[in-house]
Order: sequence, then structure tokens, then C-alpha cells
Amino acid sequence: EAQVTQNPRYLITVTGKKLTVTCSQNMNHEYMSWYRQDPGLGLRQIYYSMNVEVTDKGDVPEGYKVSRKEKRNFPLILESPSPNQTSLYFCASRSDPFAGGAYEQYFGPGTRLTVT
Amino acid sequence: GQQLNQSPQSMFIQEGEDVSMNCTSSSIFNTWLWYKQDPGEGPVLLIALYKAGELTSNGRLTAQFGITRKDSFLNISASIPSDVGIYFCAGQSRGNNRLAFGKGNQVVVIP
Repeated sequence: EAQVTQNPRYLITVTGKKLTVTCSQNMNHEYMSWYRQDPGLGLRQIYYSMNVEVTDKGDVPEGYKVSRKEKRNFPLILESPSPNQTSLYFCASRSDPFAGGAYEQYFGPGTRLTVT
Repeated sequence: GQQLNQSPQSMFIQEGEDVSMNCTSSSIFNTWLWYKQDPGEGPVLLIALYKAGELTSNGRLTAQFGITRKDSFLNISASIPSDVGIYFCAGQSRGNNRLAFGKGNQVVVIP
């Protein structure tokens, strides 16, 4: 089954304790993204990657890091989480439209993060 | 990034009724996508549109790519309780590799 998976689905942590949220897709997509979703603000892009070793900032990158060492994986790293990073996080992937792929983007199930 | 305008923000409808929502952009788009999100879950792609004027159906859902290429519409016919959720639009403009998103329409179906 074609899908985007994220782990963990729920995470409660304390300020300053480094954490990583994993994301994996099995559709051989070039393009992957991380979003956060907050009430009243909608989906905001944190980082995106157009291919292996190619990453770029989205709209709200402060406090986050990403890496893309393999095509299928795109982990999100919070080096020193703070309470304002409490949010619902989504990973997403799609093929490269500039290489003839479609713009159809698929989302993971989400990670609910609480930072106390 | 660019934000799309979705209206209305929330809708309460009687089971069996049709419901329509729209999404507008200040710039011309080449692609429109419609998603549904259930509480605590990720958005699920419902319909993708690629040509101005295109009308595409997926079961009781029908979406249209506006002629001006600055808007799109989603219609749900004969609503049922499981249609409850948030419906998002997303779009891509020429030369832009990133998708823009609307903030979503909350649909509540009253049995």
C-alpha cells in the first residue's frame, strides 16, 4: 500500500530535550515536506526537500532541522524544543512536477507533539 | 507562502443536503487539490484538477477548476454523517514548486 508513515504519533516531552520525528514514504517520491498545523493558522510548511541531500526552508523553519540522506526518509529534528513548538506535525510527499510528475501530495497520519 | 481563501469557514448542514464550498487565489494556478481531514488524522487527497474548466467527480464529490484559474469549487451531494470533517484546498502556481493551502472549511452534518 502506497503511504507516508510517521513516528511517533504522539509525543510529550520537556523543554530542551532533543527529539526526532521520523517520516518515510514508499512511493519513490522526490519531493518531501514537513508542515505544522495550528488552530486558526492552517498548514504551514517548515522545511522541504526536492531530492536526496537537497533541503530548503519553508515558511516557519526556526527551531527545526531536517536531513535527506535517503530518498524514502525525511526526519524532522528539534534540537531544543520549546513550548511554542507544541503542534500537530505532518510529513508529506509527492513526485517532482518539474520532472513530469504530478502535483498530488500525500500526507502522513500526523504527530501530536506537546512540549512542556 | 501564499494562503488561499476558503469560504465559508464552517457549515452546518442537514443530512441529505448538498453542500458547496470554494477556494480563491490572488494569482493564477495550474493545479488545484482538494483534501479532507478527519480529527487527529492527516489530510486525505480527494480530487486533483489540472485544467481550467475541468470538472471531476469522486463518488458524491465533484470539484471544478475555475475558468479564471483563480478559483476552485467542491460540492458534496446528499451529505451523510461521515462527511463530517475539514475540507482543504491546495494549489500550485506556474513556476512555483510549493503548494499553497487554504485554512479549511469545517463541515458538520446534522442527522
